[in-house]
Amino acid sequence: AQSVTQLDSHVSVSEGTPVLLRCNYSSSYSPSLFWYVQHPNKGLQLLLKYTSAATLVKGINGFEAEFKKSETSFHLTKPSAHMSDAAEYFCVVRGDTGRRALTFGSGTRLQVQP
Amino acid sequence: DAEITQSPRHKITETGRQVTLACHQTWNHNNMFWYRQDLGHGLRLIHYSYGVQDTNKGEVSDGYSVSRSNTEDLPLTLESAASSQTSVYFCASTRDTNTGELFFGEGSRLTVL
Repeated sequence: AQSVTQLDSHVSVSEGTPVLLRCNYSSSYSPSLFWYVQHPNKGLQLLLKYTSAATLVKGINGFEAEFKKSETSFHLTKPSAHMSDAAEYFCVVRGDTGRRALTFGSGTRLQVQP
Repeated sequence: DAEITQSPRHKITETGRQVTLACHQTWNHNNMFWYRQDLGHGLRLIHYSYGVQDTNKGEVSDGYSVSRSNTEDLPLTLESAASSQTSVYFCASTRDTNTGELFFGEGSRLTVL
C-alpha cells in the first residue's frame, strides 16, 4: 500500500525567506504525487502534481516540488514566502488499484511571520 | 459558476441521533467523495461513489452511510452519532480520477455531545 509522511507538523518562516515543506512517500510502484493547500476555514485546493513526467513540478503561487526517487521524497519549496502563503499543506499519493483513491498526509501548518 | 456546496456548515447534535450532511455539486461530476479531517490525521476517506447507484466504503466507513440517487448529490448519514465522529467533514468531486485533482467543498463542522 502507498503512504506519505510529512516530516513537520508546523513550519514557521519569515516573510521573504524560503519555504521548505518535507514529504516522503512509500510506494511499490512509480507513484503519482500531489500537494494540496488549505486556507483557514476553506476546502482544499490542488497546488501541483507529479505524474511521471518532469521531476521538477511547478504549481500555482510560485510553489515547486521535486520528485526524487532515490530519496523517496517530494518536498515542496518556494523561494520567498508571502503572508498569504500561511495555510495547511497536504502531501498526497494516489493509489494504483482500479479505484485510484487518494491518500493524504497528516498536514504541515505553515506560519509566515512579518 | 459551477460549484460544490455542503450543508449545514456547522452542526451540534447529541449522541445517538441521526445526522445527515448534504453535498451538492453542479459540475455533473460522476466521482464524489466524503472525507473527515482530524488533527494529526490529515484527511481520511469515508465513502465514495463513481456514479449513480454506486457507493463504496473507504478506510473509515464504520458508522456512516451514503446513497447516490442522482449525479449531483451524495448525502452522508451518521446513523447513530458518536462523540468519536466529532470532526470536520469534506465533500469532493472530480470528473476524472486519473488527474488526481479533487474539487472540495468548504466543509461541515460536526460536534457530537
